[in-house]
Amino acid sequence: AQSVTQLGSHVSVSEGALVLLRCNYSSSVPPYLFWYVQHPNKGLQLLLKYTSAATLVKGINGFEAEFKKSETSFHLTKPSAHMSDAAEYFCVVIYRGSQGNLIFGKGTKLSVKP
Amino acid sequence: GAVVSQHPSRVICKSGTSVKIECRSLDFQATTMFWYRQFPKQSLMLMATSNEGSKATYEQGVEKDKFLINHASLTLSTLTVTSAHPEDSSFYICSARPTHGETQYFGPGTRLLVL
Repeated sequence: AQSVTQLGSHVSVSEGALVLLRCNYSSSVPPYLFWYVQHPNKGLQLLLKYTSAATLVKGINGFEAEFKKSETSFHLTKPSAHMSDAAEYFCVVIYRGSQGNLIFGKGTKLSVKP
Repeated sequence: GAVVSQHPSRVICKSGTSVKIECRSLDFQATTMFWYRQFPKQSLMLMATSNEGSKATYEQGVEKDKFLINHASLTLSTLTVTSAHPEDSSFYICSARPTHGETQYFGPGTRLLVL
């Protein structure tokens, strides 16, 4: 079954440290890939998306993600964490040939320590 | 650009009453809108897909008579929770997909509490 896997339900980093949130998809054909962020009691905000152009995608708030076909991965990174980055992050996939519905990862909660 | 609003942001109602939630795409037209439900500390669960001018498509296990969806225009979809019960208490989030494109833009969510 088509799925998306986020390794680590909870990641904790210190302020200023590198943020790395992992995401792997399950398809031989590269899908559309998205990272969304959700702050408590809020909706989802689009951070960035990959739609088959450049493999290194830059998003908002200093986040970026690199599409690696050989690893079927789309990991999210940020060089220096800020306290305001503490939130839930969802890796989301649309598999090509599907009806366009989003397939959600289970989410990774990012905590940032002062 | 690509802003989606939801109203109300939170609602408390008595058991047995009906609650309507609105989802609007403010600066784009959305042929398709989606309604999700999110339980605490979980990911989003797709409830139904709403297409402008036609009947909504419900996911397996979602009661269409319980969760009425109307998508009367290219910028508005409504979800009505009929005869709400405490187990319907949840965080409801809508999203809208522009007529041309694959990205979904999410509303801020509606917190429903049924007493």
